[in-house]
Formats: sequence, structure tokens, C-alpha cells
Amino acid sequence: KAGVTQTPRYLIKTRGQQVTLSCSPISGHRSVSWYQQTPGQGLQFLFEYFSETQRNKGNFPGRFSGRQFSNSRSEMNVSTLELGDSALYLCASSLGVGTDTQYFGPGTRLTVL
Amino acid sequence: GQQVMQIPQYQHVQEGEDFTTYCNSSTTLSNIQWYKQRPGGHPVFLIQLVKSGEVKKQKRLTFQFGEAKKNSSLHITATQTTDVGTYFCAGPTSGTYKYIFGTGTRLKVLA
Repeated sequence: KAGVTQTPRYLIKTRGQQVTLSCSPISGHRSVSWYQQTPGQGLQFLFEYFSETQRNKGNFPGRFSGRQFSNSRSEMNVSTLELGDSALYLCASSLGVGTDTQYFGPGTRLTVL
Repeated sequence: GQQVMQIPQYQHVQEGEDFTTYCNSSTTLSNIQWYKQRPGGHPVFLIQLVKSGEVKKQKRLTFQFGEAKKNSSLHITATQTTDVGTYFCAGPTSGTYKYIFGTGTRLKVLA
């Protein structure tokens, strides 16, 4: 079974731009969660989608948004990028919502200049 | 807010020494899961504990879930260089089912 895939793997943007990251979950998994990982803040939960609906949300500003498609693929968008948005963005898929084991993708390394 | 703290934050050990990381949640967790992230990699699931007081072993790794389901520990016996990485505990909070990760413990093993 193929694992979680994320594209692109690396991205360099400048302040003020916007970015869209993509995540394809493991086949059969309907829940997709997004995390931001930085050296100083660790793993921070962004949001979780299940069956195209946002089920849980972390404490991030409205510049961070996401969506999930009918095939469970998910996208995450960050608008008006700030230097502090530089991070590794990880996507994780699971069978259900909330309680199930999370299977992580390799992440997208975003650098904001 | 809901927090899951892990101690220590960093640990350097000589190969062959034992290692323990402790995970403490400010709120009750429905279950607890442990993940390992190698340098440059992504978190990989190790194990899940569900019952209060549960203990599970995986070769040299021993995992324990506290009686109150608010803390957990991971103990590695006779560390090897392959154990290098950051260990995270994580779990859904009871009731809200928000998934929260611990702050992580970074382990370095000196050969």
C-alpha cells in the first residue's frame, strides 16, 4: 500500500505571497490532519479534515486554511506569508477522526524569505 | 490550554545505557501513541496504549500508560545508535478528541 504523499517537498517563497500544499492520504484513509513543525515550537496541530469537513482546528490565524476533496486528498493554503511561517508542514492520514493512528507523509519544507 | 509536556527535552547517552522519556498531559487522554522521528525524517508510529495502567513491550522498548491516563513513559534498554531521534507521545483528549502531540524528547546516542 502506498504511503502518504506530499507535494511539493521543498518550497521557497517571499513574504506576502501565498502557498498551497497538497497531501494524498493512504488509500482508504478518510481523515487528513496537518501539522506545522518548527525547532522552537515542536509539532503544532493545524486542522483535521474528515469526509470533506473540518472536524478539528488548532490555534492558527485565519491565513491558514485547508480543504479536503471527495477522494480524501487535501490541500492546505497559507496566504500573506510571514517569515515565521518557515517550517516543515506535515500531513498525516488515518482511518477515522480523532483517535486513530496517524501515518505521516515526508512533509513539505517551506522557506519564507 | 491543553498541553502535553515531555521530559527531558534532550538526552545524550552512551551506547548501551538505558533511556527513559516521560510524557505528562494536562488533560485525560483517550489513548496514547508514541512516535519516533529520525533526523530529517517524519514521525513514524511506534505503538498505541489504550487501557489505564497498560504496559507494552517492543524488543528493547517498554511503554507504559498511567493509571489516570494523563501520563506515559517510554523506556529503552541498552540503547543503540539506531535509537537516535526524537520521540513524541500523542493522543486524543477525552471528550473533544483533539489530537495533541507532546513536546518531544531528542535522544542522541554516542558510540
